[in-house]
Amino acid sequence: DSGVTQTPKHLITATGQRVTLRCSPRSGDLSVYWYQQSLDQGLQFLIQYYNGEERAKGNILERFSAQQFPDLHSELNLSSLELGDSALYFCASSVATSYEQYFGPGTRLTVT
Amino acid sequence: ILNVEQSPQSLHVQEGDSTNFTCSFPSSNFYALHWYRWETAKSPEALFVMTLNGDEKKKGRISATLNTKEGYSYLYIKGSQPEDSATYLCAFSNTGNQFYFGTGTSLTVIP
Repeated sequence: DSGVTQTPKHLITATGQRVTLRCSPRSGDLSVYWYQQSLDQGLQFLIQYYNGEERAKGNILERFSAQQFPDLHSELNLSSLELGDSALYFCASSVATSYEQYFGPGTRLTVT
Repeated sequence: ILNVEQSPQSLHVQEGDSTNFTCSFPSSNFYALHWYRWETAKSPEALFVMTLNGDEKKKGRISATLNTKEGYSYLYIKGSQPEDSATYLCAFSNTGNQFYFGTGTSLTVIP
């Protein structure tokens, strides 16, 4: 158990809908990262937050947004969902950038 | 999009063999190199983070080296055991805090 929690574990929704994925980092970790793993691709970096502020953006679509709250938990919002958004979404946390990242169990999103 | 390449793609070794994998990454704007161990149906587990050229890290039978000037890192496993079977993933981060993952090396250790 990495200490990072993600909810929900599974999510099935229809195209055009909006969902929110939630992540609670390990106690003491200030950085949160979001990653997407699609069937035909490896892990793709989406976005990083550090102590509530956006630190870096990767291949995150405009339909996706994220935030980190004062209690350091983070939410990834995915809107206008498309079939291609079906993937495993991981959250990871670390003390700071360049430290080891601890991954949560992931949220499996299926868009039908 | 930057290319992080790992080789080989897959590897089958006998229990007790030592093995190594390669991760190649862009040498410009380097910030850190991460190695992860990823077992099927689990989440990636951090092995090492290396930031300095010439860094060497070790954890039990697993060790890693880093060459930032030429853009490569090696992961070594000494005396492979069946429980070492997993995918080994490397990730490069640059000075802009972007992370780029390789596609991994799948290791199977045959008892």
